[in-house]
Parts: sequence; C-alpha cells; structure tokens
Amino acid sequence: DSGVTQTPKHLITATGQRVTLRCSPRSGDLSVYWYQQSLDQGLQFLIQYYNGEERAKGNILERFSAQQFPDLHSELNLSSLELGDSALYFCASSQAGGRTDTQYFGPGTRLTVL
Amino acid sequence: GQQVMQIPQYQHVQEGEDFTTYCNSSTTLSNIQWYKQRPGGHPVFLIQLVKSGEVKKQKRLTFQFGEAKKNSSLHITATQTTDVGTYFCAGPDNQAGTALIFGKGTTLSVSS
Repeated sequence: DSGVTQTPKHLITATGQRVTLRCSPRSGDLSVYWYQQSLDQGLQFLIQYYNGEERAKGNILERFSAQQFPDLHSELNLSSLELGDSALYFCASSQAGGRTDTQYFGPGTRLTVL
Repeated sequence: GQQVMQIPQYQHVQEGEDFTTYCNSSTTLSNIQWYKQRPGGHPVFLIQLVKSGEVKKQKRLTFQFGEAKKNSSLHITATQTTDVGTYFCAGPDNQAGTALIFGKGTTLSVSS
C-alpha cells in the first residue's frame, strides 16, 4: 500500500459525459501528479500540482482539467468524454515535487467510456 | 520530442533464467528511475540512479546507468514467478521539469 488513495476504483460512463476522479496523496506529500495509462500509449504524464499550484503540464487535453485543494487532495475532471479516453488514470504523489523525488502511485481509476 | 525507449517489449523466461531489459533516452538524463507494475496493479518505485556509470543491486536485481547518462539496464538473476510484471524506466521530462517520461515498459512472464 503506497499511502495514496484514489476513488472511484472503476467508472463506466457514456460518451459526452463528465466525470471527476479524486486522489489523496500520502501524508506529508505536497505534490500530486496525474498520469493516463493506455495499452498503446503507455504511461503519459498529464499534469502536476505542488501545494495547490500547477507546476508542470504534459499531454493534457483541453477537455481535461485538474486542481489541488488546500487539504492537498486533487481532482481530475474529464469532460465531453470520448471512447478514446477509456484508460487507467493514476495519481502519484511526492514529497517536494522535485526532479529526483520518488513518486508513489495510487491504485488507479479505470475509466470505461461506452 | 524527448523519448524514452525500452526493449524488449515482452520477454518470457523459464524460472531460474536471467532477464535483462534495456532503456534508452533520446536526451541526457539527470537521473533515471525504475518502477515495477504487477498485473492489475500500479507502478511501484524500485530504484533511482543518479551518477554516470552507477551500478546498484537489490538482491537479484542489478541496475546500471550508462556513462553518457542516456541509457540504463535492469538485470534479474535467476528469475522467480514473483518477478512477473512490467518494468518501466523513467527520466525527468526536460520540458515539464519535474514530471517523468516513462518508457513503454518490458513485460516479463515467467513459467515454472
């Protein structure tokens, strides 16, 4: 158990819908990262937050947004969902969000868009 | 753009055989990290290498970082069924700073 929690574990929804994925980092970690894992693309970095502020942005679509709240939990919002958004979404956390920080991954949310 | 590549994509071995996965970056890396993801699980941090030519061992696992800091390898001696999973290497994203770029991983299967 990494100490990172993610809810829900599974999510099934329809195209065009909007969903929110939630992540709570390990106790003491200030940085949260979101990744998308699909069979053909592997693990793709989406976005990173550090202590409530956006720190780095990867291949995140405009239909996707995220935020980190004062209690450090983070939410990833996915809207106007398409079939291709079906994937595993992982949240990871690290202590300080630096280049050499170890990232601890949560169990993931499996999103299925029908 | 920056890429991290891993070979092979899949490897099947008999229990007791050795296994090696190779990781190559298109750019010089300040450090490289290795993660393992069991089937149905999430990536779990294994190790980080920082110095050129660094070699680190964890029991039957040996990790190397190349002299040019552009390649790395993970070698497992005498594989066991518990070694099954996908092994990923990852390096810092030069554009996104503190994010990691992951290789696509090597999936290891072991038959007893």
